Amino acid sequence: QVQLQESGPGLVKPSQTLSLTCTVSGVSISSGPYCWNWIRQHTGKGLEWIGYICSSGNTYYNPTLKSRLTISVDTSKNQFSLKLISVTAADTAVYSCARDGGDSSGYYFDYWGQGTLVTVSS
Amino acid sequence: QTVVTQEPSLTVSPGGTVTLTCASSTGAVTRGYYPNWFQQKPGQPPRALIYSTNNKHSWTPARFSGSLLGGKAALTLSGVQPEDEADYYCLLYYGYSQRVFGGGTKLTVL
Repeated sequence: QVQLQESGPGLVKPSQTLSLTCTVSGVSISSGPYCWNWIRQHTGKGLEWIGYICSSGNTYYNPTLKSRLTISVDTSKNQFSLKLISVTAADTAVYSCARDGGDSSGYYFDYWGQGTLVTVSS
Repeated sequence: QTVVTQEPSLTVSPGGTVTLTCASSTGAVTRGYYPNWFQQKPGQPPRALIYSTNNKHSWTPARFSGSLLGGKAALTLSGVQPEDEADYYCLLYYGYSQRVFGGGTKLTVL
């Protein structure tokens, strides 16, 4: 059973760095072909795809966040992480991690974490 | 900036049929956008329902189906149940790299 669990501070001060980790269990994060995504959801709003890191090491970021964003992986801990610099109140949201992959039928998202609320406030 | 558009809200009667759609600002949605559909209930993470236009996950109820309709991706619920009341999101793949979610449809079963 694949499971994902987000962790990190629930409160970050404006202009500081938001750092979150997603711990994956039930599958090796380096097995492929999977990509490991971050998604966020502002309160009462829709889903926003943030970016991913794939088992190949490739990363791709939402163009609107690219200048502030880094996604990395720690295969020894079976975790991947998000760092978002220079945060503002607009970055307050529930942050979730999720897996996507591909097979002969195409591309799919399947497993999601429960999500963690991050509030940006002084 | 690429925008994916869904109906903001729809209402359906129990036992009825409803179709939700997903449009891209770049033009017609085709199989090459690998449309995915998700259901989200309050306080829960999204649950994947459909991938690559019309493929179901092992846990997807049979009453959910996906298709392409008039240049859009579509999710059809047949024989709607009260527990289907939720927010539904589509996601499109752009060029095997970027993923973009639609704004979501709030489905009311009434």
